[in-house]
Amino acid sequence: AQSVTQPDIHITVSEGASLELRCNYSYGATPYLFWYVQSPGQGLQLLLKYFSGDTLVQGIKGFEAEFKRSQSSFNLRKPSVHWSDAAEYFCAVGAHGGSQGNLIFGKGTKLSVKP
Amino acid sequence: DGGITQSPKYLFRKEGQNVTLSCEQNLNHDAMYWYRQDPGQGLRLIYYSQIVNDFQKGDIAEGYSVSREKKESFPLTVTSAQKNPTAFYLCASSMGTPGEQYFGPGTRLTVT
Repeated sequence: AQSVTQPDIHITVSEGASLELRCNYSYGATPYLFWYVQSPGQGLQLLLKYFSGDTLVQGIKGFEAEFKRSQSSFNLRKPSVHWSDAAEYFCAVGAHGGSQGNLIFGKGTKLSVKP
Repeated sequence: DGGITQSPKYLFRKEGQNVTLSCEQNLNHDAMYWYRQDPGQGLRLIYYSQIVNDFQKGDIAEGYSVSREKKESFPLTVTSAQKNPTAFYLCASSMGTPGEQYFGPGTRLTVT
């Protein structure tokens, strides 16, 4: 069965520092991969997605992610974090087979930003 | 503007009462989804519908029911059989496979 693991529950970085949020997935074929961001009490907003092609994907708000098949990873990165990036981040993998279109979500990583 | 609306934002009910959460989209998406979110649990799929008049159970459907009579609407009823209904509920829609999902702002349900 497909699954997504986000190893870090909570990360704190200083404003201006670089950021990397980890995501590992379990899936037999080429997955569809997504990163979402959620501010407290709000819905989720799509940051970026990977379906095929170039393994380095650019998203909104200056985020990027790299698909590494050999490591089953899809880590999210940002070169310089802003205070407004404080939120919870979810990695997701797209399901195949009978439930096509469904997403399997990781449990999220909460990002805090120090001034 | 196209999007997904959920109402109300906050909902309070007494134990033993059924309650219906509204979800409407004007994105012309075929598929719609309901998730439950609890702290530290991520998102768990309750029900999904890939086409009008059809829906399937997700991972945690017990104690919930849905209908999909119109493409734009996918209401979720939390029944009195749901043992722990207090949670944040998110509705989403997508165009199809492998399309990304678009989320509404959520409804926080508190049952006392």
